[in-house]
Amino acid sequence: AQSVTQLDSHVSVSEGTPVLLRCNYSSSYSPSLFWYVQHPNKGLQLLLKYTSAATLVKGINGFEAEFKKSETSFHLTKPSAHMSDAAEYFCVVSDPSDFQGAQKLVFGQGTRLTINP
Amino acid sequence: DAGVTQSPTHLIKTRGQHVTLRCSPISGHKSVSWYQQVLGQGPQFIFQYYEKEERGRGNFPDRFSARQFPNYSSELNVNALLLGDSALYLCASSTGRGRANQPQHFGDGTRLSIL
Repeated sequence: AQSVTQLDSHVSVSEGTPVLLRCNYSSSYSPSLFWYVQHPNKGLQLLLKYTSAATLVKGINGFEAEFKKSETSFHLTKPSAHMSDAAEYFCVVSDPSDFQGAQKLVFGQGTRLTINP
Repeated sequence: DAGVTQSPTHLIKTRGQHVTLRCSPISGHKSVSWYQQVLGQGPQFIFQYYEKEERGRGNFPDRFSARQFPNYSSELNVNALLLGDSALYLCASSTGRGRANQPQHFGDGTRLSIL
């Protein structure tokens, strides 16, 4: 079974400074990995996805993530934090279920990002 | 284009009751998945439906059931509600049958509170 570990439950940075949200995964397949963001009382919005093409993936709102197979990591970064980035971030691995090809997303526990003015 | 829409947005029930949650996928999407998100945790997979058939089921009791209609909309039903069923229920849609690299697009969820 595939799993995801987000190494920090809470990250706090100042506006204009870099953001690093860490994620390690466990997968017996060649994984598909995603980062989603959830603002308060909202659903989940896709930030970016890795699907075995380029190891450095660019997403929306200036976020990017680097897939490192040797470290089984998929960390999310942004050069300069904005107040609007304050939200919950989820690292997700896609688990192709063996039941008639369903696609099950396996979520990490989430990292709450706080931006200080 | 409209995104994934879910109804109702909030719901309050008491223990033992049943509930039906509804989801309309993005136009052209044939696959619908349901997730349960308990406060402070990541979402947990409940079901995936494609072409009106169940294609995957998570580790949830038989009190949870779902179906998909010919227009690809879906309902999630929960019987004999327990306090522990209080959660945000999220619906997600994707274009086709369960390829691992397909992103799923989420609605804003239904907040279910059990008293």
